[in-house]
Amino acid sequence: AQSVTQLDSQVPVFEEAPVELRCNYSSSVSVYLFWYVQYPNQGLQLLLKYLSGSTLVKGINGFEAEFNKSQTSFHLRKPSVHISDTAEYFCAVLGRVAGGTSYGKLTFGQGTILTVHP
Amino acid sequence: DGGITQSPKYLFRKEGQNVTLSCEQNLNHDAMYWYRQDPGQGLRLIYYSQIVNDFQKGDIAEGYSVSREKKESFPLTVTSAQKNPTAFYLCASGSGPIALTGELFFGEGSRLTVL
Repeated sequence: AQSVTQLDSQVPVFEEAPVELRCNYSSSVSVYLFWYVQYPNQGLQLLLKYLSGSTLVKGINGFEAEFNKSQTSFHLRKPSVHISDTAEYFCAVLGRVAGGTSYGKLTFGQGTILTVHP
Repeated sequence: DGGITQSPKYLFRKEGQNVTLSCEQNLNHDAMYWYRQDPGQGLRLIYYSQIVNDFQKGDIAEGYSVSREKKESFPLTVTSAQKNPTAFYLCASGSGPIALTGELFFGEGSRLTVL
């Protein structure tokens, strides 16, 4: 089984400032990791994902995340935020087993509400 | 355009009534999922289906039922046995096996309020 903890429920920040949204996971097997974004009253859309390879992953809208296996973390960062980045962000984990198959279901964190102020 | 359509977007029901939420996709995805979203709790998996005519319980299946008679459709029924049905419900789909892409595509959600 796997679990995800997003360490901050709300993150307020001023426009053009850098931001980091923290995510830690636990799993008994290797994992795939994801960040999704949800704008008010909408579904989720994928920001970025780590499947394998380089531990620094770049996504849409200038976001990036770094997979740190020793720290079991996958923190999301953006060097300069915009008002339009105001949304709720979800970290998610998918367990995988040898052979590349998976348990077939994502486990989501509790979400972090990012509010960008002018 | 390809995507996932959920209906209705808003639904009000009296306590004790069953309600069915519709989810249709034209992405030709094998896998479909239902999540429930409550403030501060993230998304919790209700049911999922990897193939037509087959589905599995997720983490909070009690009080819910689903069917998967067609690849495109995965309706969710919230029964009167669900103790606290007021929530935002999200349907998603993914091309299988999910390990290859890891990405789910979400509908815009249905907000159910039980009065």
